Amino acid sequence: GQQLNQSPQSMFIQEGEDVSMNCTSSSIFNTWLWYKQDPGEGPVLLIALYKAGELTSNGRLTAQFGITRKDSFLNISASIPSDVGIYFCAGRGAMNNNAGNMLTFGGGTRLMVKP
Amino acid sequence: EPEVTQTPSHQVTQMGQEVILRCVPISNHLYFYWYRQILGQKVEFLVSFYNNEISEKSEIFDDQFSVERPDGSNFTLKIRSTKLEDSAMYFCASRILFLGGTEAFFGQGTRLTVV
Repeated sequence: GQQLNQSPQSMFIQEGEDVSMNCTSSSIFNTWLWYKQDPGEGPVLLIALYKAGELTSNGRLTAQFGITRKDSFLNISASIPSDVGIYFCAGRGAMNNNAGNMLTFGGGTRLMVKP
Repeated sequence: EPEVTQTPSHQVTQMGQEVILRCVPISNHLYFYWYRQILGQKVEFLVSFYNNEISEKSEIFDDQFSVERPDGSNFTLKIRSTKLEDSAMYFCASRILFLGGTEAFFGQGTRLTVV
């Protein structure tokens, strides 16, 4: 099956610092999504990307859909304590042309912010 | 804001017992999903459901699993004979349309513990 490699696995940063994480795949994806998961909660969508090369921002978050369609990154600028959580990339594959359109998730990046 | 609700939040069951996890998707949504997350691992797709039938399922979703939309509002996941390795967070998700720009909303999850 399709695999997403997400890095880094964890980050421990100082409040105010910028953060960058990325996902890569050997397969092409049509859609890249970035989610945040707080403890005991379900994933919450942060940014959705639908076109190769697309760069999208949501407040302090910026994400890009790689030109090759095999990678994406998420940047968080000026981190704050409430940014703490696990960030997941997810991709929807090019070959999934039915109504289900499953998502393949990366392994997650655990972000810890020191005040 | 509308949300996907899941019950129970935590279910403990003995190995070999049947469990039913319940979800109430957002009311005008048409596509429904179950994902699971083993503790500390990534979110994995189980099954998608549309128009009263399974549209996609993963290798994890074997004969022990079944889904049903019994009454037009609930969406259930049944595990017939639970195994220890079924212990995980199970997330229900729903999506309004199969179109670019509309993504699934996840519920808060049911933590299943098989003992």
